[in-house]
Amino acid sequence: QVQLVQSGAEVKKPGASVKVSCKASGYTFTTYYMHWLRQAPGQGLEWMGIINPSGGSTTYAQKFQGRVTMTRDTSTSTVYMELSSLRSEDTAVYYCAREGVVGALDWFDPWGRGTLVTVSS
Amino acid sequence: AIQLTQSPSSLSASVGDRVTITCRASQGISSALAWYQQKPGKAPKLLIYDASSLESGVPSRFSGSGSGTDFTLTIGSLQPEDFATYYCQQFNSYPLTFGGGTTVEIK
Repeated sequence: QVQLVQSGAEVKKPGASVKVSCKASGYTFTTYYMHWLRQAPGQGLEWMGIINPSGGSTTYAQKFQGRVTMTRDTSTSTVYMELSSLRSEDTAVYYCAREGVVGALDWFDPWGRGTLVTVSS
Repeated sequence: AIQLTQSPSSLSASVGDRVTITCRASQGISSALAWYQQKPGKAPKLLIYDASSLESGVPSRFSGSGSGTDFTLTIGSLQPEDFATYYCQQFNSYPLTFGGGTTVEIK
């Protein structure tokens, strides 16, 4: 079955960077694009961007342009999301989620279990 | 960016009730809409895609309808495991966006 396993919780100071990983299994890693989303405590869902694991191309939400970098390692079927210049408002659960249909602008299925990133001095 | 407005933001219902949640898009998105269920401390789970297609394994009491700007998620007969927060999501264009969520609580 398709599984997305994310790295563990992180605590960072303001101004630092965090790198979250998402290891995929159960399907051909390079076939499906992968998204990153986040959810602040008690808040709704926010899309951050997408990476094509095959070629590594990315599209980021304008809000995160210049602060987010998504990469992948095809040898380990893992995608990464690095967010820099962290501030308290970046405290959130970060999710990776696979696209629902190959190569399409579509929905998210399945999702990783999430990684809590806490930004605090 | 396309804005999605969900209503109500919360509702109280009893087991067996029929529940309807609405999602309105700020511009036409054809049928490019999905619905998710999220329980506390868990990742969202896909329920409906393409506005009305039921994801495999999702109970048939869940249904979706609509196109253009107005969409509906209906739970035909609310079950105890359905108490959760529901989100709509558009995939007509980037950035992909979500509605603000509807929390279904026990009456």
